[in-house]
Amino acid sequence: EAGVVQSPRYKIIEKKQPVAFWCNPISGHNTLYWYLQNLGQGPELLIRYENEEAVDDSQLPKDRFSAERLKGVDSTLKIQPAELGDSAVYLCASSLVSGTGDYNEQYFGPGTRLTVT
Amino acid sequence: GNSVTQMEGPVTLSEEAFLTINCTYTATGYPSLFWYVQYPGEGLQLLLKATKADDKGSNKGFEATYRKETTSFHLEKGSVQVSDSAVYFCALTLDYKLSFGAGTTVTVRA
Repeated sequence: EAGVVQSPRYKIIEKKQPVAFWCNPISGHNTLYWYLQNLGQGPELLIRYENEEAVDDSQLPKDRFSAERLKGVDSTLKIQPAELGDSAVYLCASSLVSGTGDYNEQYFGPGTRLTVT
Repeated sequence: GNSVTQMEGPVTLSEEAFLTINCTYTATGYPSLFWYVQYPGEGLQLLLKATKADDKGSNKGFEATYRKETTSFHLEKGSVQVSDSAVYFCALTLDYKLSFGAGTTVTVRA
């Protein structure tokens, strides 16, 4: 079974440029997460989707960040314009949430390492 | 809010040494607790979990016990191998939201 796929793996851009990251979750997983991981820190949730709906985007800086999950499968995360402080690893994860309240394991992709110069 | 504090690294050990990584948490409820591992160049993988007090999670020789009285979930392995070199993250979840510690880098020397 294929895991969570992310692309690109690495991206270097100049500040003020736009950038987009793509994520393909594990087949059948209805819930998708985007995390931000700064160097030397643990991942922090940016946004969580259940199917097509963003059910938790409270930590997404909406002035420059946007995300979409059309058709409830793949997702893209965009930054426009990028700032120096956006340099980090952007992780995507997916899980199958049944709504029973039990924890369902999140499976993580390898991440996209963004460098803003 | 919910938070996780784990032992700062890096930790360097010799093969077959005993490993322990301390983790404590603060939560406004009864969280589930996890240890994730990130091998070089790979994504985060769930190593083990415990969903209620006194539960012991175990996998690949690693163990951790959910201690509600001390709000801790320390990771241990009795005899590490070079292949255990990785970054280890303690985490908790409430309402599907994972909150991670800062991670502890472990290097095992042959």
